[in-house]
Amino acid sequence: GQQVMQIPQYQHVQEGEDFTTYCNSSTTLSNIQWYKQRPGGHPVFLIQLVKSGEVKKQKRLTFQFGEAKKNSSLHITATQTTDVGTYFCLCAGGTSYGKLTFGQGTILTVHP
Amino acid sequence: DVKVTQSSRYLVKRTGEKVFLECVQDMDHENMFWYRQDPGLGLRLIYFSYDVKMKEKGDIPEGYSVSREKKERFSLILESASTNQTSMYLCASSPRLAYNEQFFGPGTRLTVL
Repeated sequence: GQQVMQIPQYQHVQEGEDFTTYCNSSTTLSNIQWYKQRPGGHPVFLIQLVKSGEVKKQKRLTFQFGEAKKNSSLHITATQTTDVGTYFCLCAGGTSYGKLTFGQGTILTVHP
Repeated sequence: DVKVTQSSRYLVKRTGEKVFLECVQDMDHENMFWYRQDPGLGLRLIYFSYDVKMKEKGDIPEGYSVSREKKERFSLILESASTNQTSMYLCASSPRLAYNEQFFGPGTRLTVL
């Protein structure tokens, strides 16, 4: 079955430092989504990547989808305290709903 | 705005009780999902439904069942609650296409004593 590994599990940064989380799938994906969950909140959709090698940007956030469509990364430039939370990837493999798998999440702490 | 609501934010039940968790969405979405969230494990899919009266098992369906009698409502049922079902339960919905953006409810933190 589809295995998803997201690393690191935790990341502590000083405000202004960069942050990257990685998501790796054992199988080729149809697409990948990224979500952010603030402390005490629920996951909120950030972006979806569909094409091989795709790169998308949202202000200080850069999302990449690997050429083989088996891995992805989320990079935040110059973190701010508002970036605190857990970042999850959601991997979609094949056409069946049963192939939806979340990564374990990366908990980001930003020290002012 | 899409709104997904869940019947309770916090719930405390005893081992062996039957537990109902309700989820309602107001955007006419075809797809609805139930996840449980545990530290270090992320969100794991319990069941999903792509249409009224239709359901499919996710990764961890054991000990759970679901019901979808109306399009807007998706219920998760714990037939006989056990302590290892203590967790945060999140409901989500998404429009028709298989892998569209999911909209999550606020979650129900269930404690089974």
